Amino acid sequence: QVYLVESGGGVVQPGRSLRLSCSVSGFTFSDYAFQWVRQAPGKGLECVAVISHDGINKRYTDSVRGRSTISRDNYKNTLYLEVGSLTHEDTAVYYCARGGDDNGDYGGLDYWGQGTLVTVSS
Amino acid sequence: EIVVTQSPATLSLSPGERATLTCRASQSVRNHLAWYQHKPGQAPRLLIYDATDRATGVSARFSGSGFGTDFTLTISSLEPEDVAVYYCQQRSIWPPHTFGQGTKLEIK
Repeated sequence: QVYLVESGGGVVQPGRSLRLSCSVSGFTFSDYAFQWVRQAPGKGLECVAVISHDGINKRYTDSVRGRSTISRDNYKNTLYLEVGSLTHEDTAVYYCARGGDDNGDYGGLDYWGQGTLVTVSS
Repeated sequence: EIVVTQSPATLSLSPGERATLTCRASQSVRNHLAWYQHKPGQAPRLLIYDATDRATGVSARFSGSGFGTDFTLTISSLEPEDVAVYYCQQRSIWPPHTFGQGTKLEIK
């Protein structure tokens, strides 16, 4: 059975940072690229960041670039996303998802976690 | 950034009818397009990848077509369980792998 389980969400004040984790099991973690996808309340899906299978290639969407870091630990089978300088616009459910080629391009996101809610509020 | 536009925004059909959802990219993505089904409180589910290939375990009632900028998801015979929001996503060019805004499918 494949499992992706996000954690680390919660209520955080504007301007602070947050680190999300995604624990993975059921397949060889290091063989796959991963993405973080978020959904703001009442909105659609938005790709936030993607990381290659070996952790070398990292890319970000414009709205988080420069204040976010995607990373992975291929020994702990865990994916991470740290977002800094949080604003209300970062309030969303954050999903981790597996898919694409070695760099996370093409194909589709075939396994997803259930998501973790991040609420930015004072 | 590639803009992906879905239509219609909402689709209301009866059980057994055929549903046709469209997705248009602002520039060619070749066949690098995926479709997802998203039900409230659940994780999105991959239905179609590479524009036409069904993901593992997906019913044959779901089919995808298209290439370049224009794509279609067809559900051949609607069932009540198909109620969901359907998203397309271009997976060709980053940043980022943009999603469409979604089509909400309702069953009468």
